Amino acid sequence: DADVTQTPRNRITKTGKRIMLECSQTKGHDRMYWYRQDPGLGLRLIYYSFDVKDINKGEISDGYSVSRQAQAKFSLSLESAIPNQTALYFCATSDSPERGPYNEQFFGPGTRLTVL
Amino acid sequence: GESVGLHLPTLSVQEGDNSIINCAYSNSASDYFIWYKQESGKGPQFIIDIRSNMDKRQGQRVTVLLNKTVKHLSLQIAATQPGDSAVYFCAENTGGFKTIFGAGTRLFVKA
Repeated sequence: DADVTQTPRNRITKTGKRIMLECSQTKGHDRMYWYRQDPGLGLRLIYYSFDVKDINKGEISDGYSVSRQAQAKFSLSLESAIPNQTALYFCATSDSPERGPYNEQFFGPGTRLTVL
Repeated sequence: GESVGLHLPTLSVQEGDNSIINCAYSNSASDYFIWYKQESGKGPQFIIDIRSNMDKRQGQRVTVLLNKTVKHLSLQIAATQPGDSAVYFCAENTGGFKTIFGAGTRLFVKA
């Protein structure tokens, strides 16, 4: 079974709709991230969470919100979707720095979102 | 500003040949570098990493070289196989959580 799962895998929606993307992990990691991937660009950080009570904005948080429901769950919401939010969205997790200062990130399979 | 870039957007190699994927970074404070592989329809997957106190690190069929003088990172894949076809990303960070990803290089392996 995958360590990091995302639902849905594909979603087509219309401008103005509210959309929630969900991420679950079984790795026991404290840190979770949401990234966006656009063609020709690297992954860009939307939001990140170091634990259940810690939520932080990334470089492109406008138009997005998140909720860390539990250590294993981190959801991303688009309150009112717009076409330029059409992209591939990835959730990732990493271990805490107490276990080592350099931690790789483990990615989910991605959610392809299309906003018409 | 910070940036991680790749010299070539695509690379095509013959099966069995060695592949070299290059990456330039601009933040001299970056001290940890990672290569990720992303196959079609999947999320990025860790391949190999290297810390700034090293020049070279080898894994199974992969080698990462770091040249801090010119801020250059490369990934070498020995005996490239069809299963190596993917997009490869380099990434850097400064010891914290923030990872900056490059745009990626697509590797095509010709049979």
